[in-house]
Amino acid sequence: AQKVTQAQTEISVVEKEDVTLDCVYETRDTTYYLFWYKQPPSGELVFLIRRNSFDEQNEISGRYSWNFQKSTSSFNFTITASQVVDSAVYFCALSDSGAGSYQLTFGKGTKLSVIP
Amino acid sequence: DAGITQSPRYKITETGRQVTLMCHQTWSHSYMFWYRQDLGHGLRLIYYSAAADITDKGEVPDGYVVSRSKTENFPLTLESATRSQTSVYFCASNEPGGRYEQYFGPGTRLTVT
Repeated sequence: AQKVTQAQTEISVVEKEDVTLDCVYETRDTTYYLFWYKQPPSGELVFLIRRNSFDEQNEISGRYSWNFQKSTSSFNFTITASQVVDSAVYFCALSDSGAGSYQLTFGKGTKLSVIP
Repeated sequence: DAGITQSPRYKITETGRQVTLMCHQTWSHSYMFWYRQDLGHGLRLIYYSAAADITDKGEVPDGYVVSRSKTENFPLTLESATRSQTSVYFCASNEPGGRYEQYFGPGTRLTVT
């Protein structure tokens, strides 16, 4: 069975600090996809990134970066120079092709508060 | 407008009543999903559909019914609402084989009194 663990329930940082959100996953599949979603206070779910299991390259997008390590089954998300607008709940999710469902298994989320 | 919409956005209903949450997408994605979001649980899959007339259970299907007669619509029905079904419900869609990420509707906040 798939499982995603986000051990950090809540994190508070002061604006301009760097922050890393941890995500550890479990799956028996060799082909799978990992995702990060952002849920701001307004409530919508915003897709941030997708990573395939066969592509371990780290990715950087502006102040956001993602570190995917298959050896430790982790897909961590770092925000550099955090801003108040980064305050949100962040979800890590896993999807495999098992049974062809492509359903997402979500972690319970990490609530990030960026204090001005 | 293109995208995925949900209606109503807010609903208050009484225990025992039937309520239907609507989901509509304009991308012609083959897959559609219903999740519920509860504090401490994150998002959990209720039902999904791979195509019109093909649906299957997710992690928490009890008390819910779905149908999909048209590709673009995926309604979720609570046949006899219970207080434990008070939650925020999200509909999502994607097209495996293309982009695997799911795109979510704005959510429906349902309160069962």
